[in-house]
Amino acid sequence: KAGVTQTPRYLIKTRGQQVTLSCSPISGHRSVSWYQQTPGQGLQFLFEYFSETQRNKGNFPGRFSGRQFSNSRSEMNVSTLELGDSALYLCASSHPGVGNTIYFGEGSWLTVV
Amino acid sequence: GQQLNQSPQSMFIQEGEDVSMNCTSSSIFNTWLWYKQEPGEGPVLLIALYKAGELTSNGRLTAQFGITRKDSFLNISASIPSDVGIYFCAGQLRNNAGNMLTFGGGTRLMVKP
Repeated sequence: KAGVTQTPRYLIKTRGQQVTLSCSPISGHRSVSWYQQTPGQGLQFLFEYFSETQRNKGNFPGRFSGRQFSNSRSEMNVSTLELGDSALYLCASSHPGVGNTIYFGEGSWLTVV
Repeated sequence: GQQLNQSPQSMFIQEGEDVSMNCTSSSIFNTWLWYKQEPGEGPVLLIALYKAGELTSNGRLTAQFGITRKDSFLNISASIPSDVGIYFCAGQLRNNAGNMLTFGGGTRLMVKP
């Protein structure tokens, strides 16, 4: 069974640009959530989507947004990139039927220069 | 954002030694999870705990869900070099509002052969 798949794995962007990251959840999982990981702040929750609706949102500015498609795949977008947005962005999926255990993808490494 | 208090921050031990790390929170969680992360990868789920007082093992790993629901510990017995990595605890609230994880700051484990 394929795990959570994230693309791209690595990318470099310039300040002021925007970026879109993609996530394909484990087959059958309908909840997709996103986390930002930095050395200074650790792992921080960004948002969660379930059945194409945002169900939870962390404490991040409006430049961070996401969406979920009918096939449960999700994208997150960061607009007007800042140097501090450099981080590992992790996508995770879960299936309610197994106690909502959350499984992570390998992440997308974003460097803003 | 909120983080759980995880200790110790790092450990440097000899191969064969046992390891213990713990996590505390000011809030109650109804699930505790332990993940391991290796360089360049996403967190991999090690153990999930769903009930207060629950003690669960996964090979050489043993974890417990504190009876107050505000803490958890992870033990690794007879450590080996491949145990090297960063271990994260995470508290999860499962309710109608959805899933989100709150993470500890991580314990960096180094094992000397």
